Amino acid sequence: EPEVTQTPSHQVTQMGQEVILRCVPISNHLYFYWYRQILGQKVEFLVSFYNNEISEKSEIFDDQFSVERPDGSNFTLKIRSTKLEDSAMYFCASSVKIGYTFGSGTRLTVV
Amino acid sequence: TQLLEQSPQFLSIQEGENLTVYCNSSSVFSSLQWYRQEPGEGPVLLVTVVTGGEVKKLKRLTFQFGDARKDSSLHITAAQPGDTGLYLCAGAKGNNRLAFGKGNQVVVIP
Repeated sequence: EPEVTQTPSHQVTQMGQEVILRCVPISNHLYFYWYRQILGQKVEFLVSFYNNEISEKSEIFDDQFSVERPDGSNFTLKIRSTKLEDSAMYFCASSVKIGYTFGSGTRLTVV
Repeated sequence: TQLLEQSPQFLSIQEGENLTVYCNSSSVFSSLQWYRQEPGEGPVLLVTVVTGGEVKKLKRLTFQFGDARKDSSLHITAAQPGDTGLYLCAGAKGNNRLAFGKGNQVVVIP
């Protein structure tokens, strides 16, 4: 069964530092996404990416966030100058059209 | 904001019993997806429903999409302890962005 792979599984960072979360989507999928889930809350949409550009982003995805697909296989989420409230599980997902495959997530803790 | 309300939030039943959980919204969705999420893991897709009134079955799980495409239900027949988990519904509105509900936490007691 094809999988979406995310690394690292856990990341602890100091407030104000930059972090890069990495994802390898399923190879024949065309749409890529980042979602986050703060402990005890809903899964929230951050951004979708198609044809090498952002197709939609939420109000959460402000200037401190950016995404990149640097080499045709990896899909990264960069958070510049992390804040305490950025602590959450970050999920990468990919799809052909509808029906996503999610990765296992990166637990980001900002201290 | 597309608000999806899932009810009940928490349900505990005995093994062998049937259960139904619900996902409701005032918004119309182009498709609705059900996921199951284990603690510390990503959501795992169970089913996607697209047509109003559509019914899909996955072994003992039956999913229904409302006629108006605003709501959905998940029915589990003869629940097993392995059905224990958090069931999430998520709606899409034409684009691929999903709005998730908070989930139905199901506990099946052996």
